[in-house]
Amino acid sequence: AQTVTQSQPEMSVQEAETVTLSCTYDTSESNYYLFWYKQPPSRQMILVIRQEAYKQQNATENRFSVNFQKAAKSFSLKISDSQLGDTAMYFCAFMLHTGNQFYFGTGTSLTVIP
Amino acid sequence: NAGVTQTPKFQVLKTGQSMTLQCAQDMNHEYMSWYRQDPGMGLRLIHYSVGAGITDQGEVPNGYNVSRSTTEDFPLRLLSAAPSQTSVYFCASSYSSGGRQYGYTFGSGTRLTVV
Repeated sequence: AQTVTQSQPEMSVQEAETVTLSCTYDTSESNYYLFWYKQPPSRQMILVIRQEAYKQQNATENRFSVNFQKAAKSFSLKISDSQLGDTAMYFCAFMLHTGNQFYFGTGTSLTVIP
Repeated sequence: NAGVTQTPKFQVLKTGQSMTLQCAQDMNHEYMSWYRQDPGMGLRLIHYSVGAGITDQGEVPNGYNVSRSTTEDFPLRLLSAAPSQTSVYFCASSYSSGGRQYGYTFGSGTRLTVV
C-alpha cells in the first residue's frame, strides 16, 4: 500500500518570503508520479506542480518548485516570493503509473502574512 | 470547456434517505474517481473507474455505489444516508498519454450534511 505523510499541519510565512512544505511517501513501486495540489477557501482543488519519478530533474512552475529525493522518498514544495493568494491548504499526492488511484496526505494549511 | 461538473453544490439529507451526486466531465478522460474530504484526514478514495463499464472500490466504499455507463458520467449513490457520511465530496477525472499520467482535474465539490 502507498502512504503519503505531511508532518506540518500549519505553517505561516511573511509576504515575499520563501517557504518549504514537507512531504514524505512510502511505496515499493519504482514508477509513479507526485503532485502538489492547492485548496484555497473556495474549496476548489488546483494542481500546482507534477513530478515524474523517473525524472531526476526537479519540476518547477513559476514561483513553485520541488525538491524530489527519490531514495529518501521525500517531495517538498518550495514557494518563492510568497503572495497573499498563496494562502491555502496544500496537499501532497501520489499516483501509481497505472493512474487508477491517487493517495493524498492530510494537508498543510499555509497562511501568508502581509 | 467545462471540465468536471458536480451537482449539487450543497445538500442536506435526513438519516436513511438516499440520493445521487452527479458528476460529468467533457474532456474524454478515461479515469474518474470520487473522494470524500474530512477535517484532518485529507481526501480519501471512495470508488474509481478506469473506463466505461469498469468500476472498483477505493479506501472507504461502504454505503456508496457507483456506475459508469458512459465515459462522461460517474454518479455516486448514497444508499441510506448516515451522519458519518457528512463530508465534502469531490469528483475528479484524469487521463494518460504516451504512457504518462497527468494528474486529476477536480470538480468544485458537494458539501453534504446528514441530520
